[in-house]
Amino acid sequence: DTQMTQSPSSVSASVGDRVTITCRASQGIDNWLAWYHQKPGKAPKLLISSASTLQSGVPSRFSGSGSGTFFTLTISSLQPEDFATYYCQQTNSFPWTFGQGTKVEIK
Amino acid sequence: QVQLQESGPGLVKPSETLSLTCTVSGGSISGYYWSWIRQPPGKGLEWIGYIYYSGTTKHNPSLESRVTISVDTSKNQFSLKLSSVTAADTAVYYCARHGSRASSSPYDYWGQGTLITVSS
Repeated sequence: DTQMTQSPSSVSASVGDRVTITCRASQGIDNWLAWYHQKPGKAPKLLISSASTLQSGVPSRFSGSGSGTFFTLTISSLQPEDFATYYCQQTNSFPWTFGQGTKVEIK
Repeated sequence: QVQLQESGPGLVKPSETLSLTCTVSGGSISGYYWSWIRQPPGKGLEWIGYIYYSGTTKHNPSLESRVTISVDTSKNQFSLKLSSVTAADTAVYYCARHGSRASSSPYDYWGQGTLITVSS
């Protein structure tokens, strides 16, 4: 299986801060990488596909980059609605796997 | 607007079979791949398996041969059966649609999730 490791596991930040989350794959996955965020009691929501393609309706403060084994998700200016847990997911090889999650908390 | 809704019993006894159905509304089940994903309380996400509207399936080997996923296009539904459940199968179960009509595309629509507890 392709292991997805996110860093950090949690981050405390303030509104307006720039936040970067990394996701590392145990083997190359080209750009078959998606990012989601999840709020308590809710289903995950797709933010980015193909490592860097912003989904329709997702604010432009979110951006993704990377290829191969190293990926990043950046929130350029954190907003109150962005406090959530973020997950990466690879769909390059079966079984599809998710990172363990990064919780973005209010400082 | 596509909507997905999971349905099934919230409590399943150990060694029995968990059965869930996902009903798709606001769009057709045809032409897309559909997945089941689960999340144990307080933990991360695990992909269970997917089905194409034509019936082609793929599932997570970690669940061995316990998983069966089926589709009923006439009802715009797909279903999950997980046999021989244990407490480790306690989780919120989500159904979701793969975007872009490809199996490798991520999930653009999700159900709200349903908590399944395995307990006697």
